[in-house]
Amino acid sequence: QKEVEQNSGPLSVPEGAIASLNCTYSDRGSQSFFWYRQYSGKSPELIMFIYSNGDKEDGRFTAQLNKASQYVSLLIRDSQPSDSATYLCAVKSYGTASKLTFGTGTRLQVTL
Amino acid sequence: DVKVTQSSRYLVKRTGEKVFLECVQDMDHENMFWYRQDPGLGLRLIYFSYDVKMKEKGDIPEGYSVSREKKERFSLILESASTNQTSMYLCAIRKQTSGRAPDEQFFGPGTRLTVL
Repeated sequence: QKEVEQNSGPLSVPEGAIASLNCTYSDRGSQSFFWYRQYSGKSPELIMFIYSNGDKEDGRFTAQLNKASQYVSLLIRDSQPSDSATYLCAVKSYGTASKLTFGTGTRLQVTL
Repeated sequence: DVKVTQSSRYLVKRTGEKVFLECVQDMDHENMFWYRQDPGLGLRLIYFSYDVKMKEKGDIPEGYSVSREKKERFSLILESASTNQTSMYLCAIRKQTSGRAPDEQFFGPGTRLTVL
C-alpha cells in the first residue's frame, strides 16, 4: 500500500511568518508531487507541483523535494489569514495511469 | 477554462436507496475520477475511468459502481446506500493539455451525501 503521510495539525503561525508543511511518502517510484489547498467546504485546488529534487518557487510558495529522504515540503512566506486552509500533499507513482495518492492534509491557521 | 460540474451540492437519501451521483466536464478530457473525503482519512479513490466504457477500481470500490457512456459524463452509483457511505464525494478530471502539470487533477465542487 503506497502511503503519503502528513501531520494533521493544526499548524498555527502568526501573520507574516513562514509556514512549513511537510509530507513523506513510501513509494520510491514516485515521480510527481503536488500540493493542493482546500478551504473549508470547498474542493481542493492545485497550488504547486514539483518533479525534480530541489526547490521550486512560485510567488510566496516554495516546494522542496528530496527523493533520497522521500520527503516533500511546502513553505509559505509572509503568511496571510487567507492562507488558513487544509493543505493536501499528493503523489503520483510511476506507471499508475495518472492516479494520485493523497495525504490526509495539514490544517494551517494563520493568526492575526 | 475547465469546468467540472456535479449534479448536487447536498443530497439526503435513505438506507437501501439507489443513488446516482453525476459528474460532467465541458472539455475532451479522458481521465475522470471519483473520490470520497472523510475527516482523518483524506481523499480516497473509489473508481476512475480513462475513456468511454473503460473503468478501473480504485482503493475503496466496495459498494459502488460507475458508468461512463459518454466522454463528458462519469456517474457514481451506490447500489444500496448505507450509513457508512455518508461522505463528501468529489469528482476530478486529469487536465491533459491545458493544465500546468501533466498529471494535474482538477476537482468539481463536491456532493455532500447523507444517508439516513
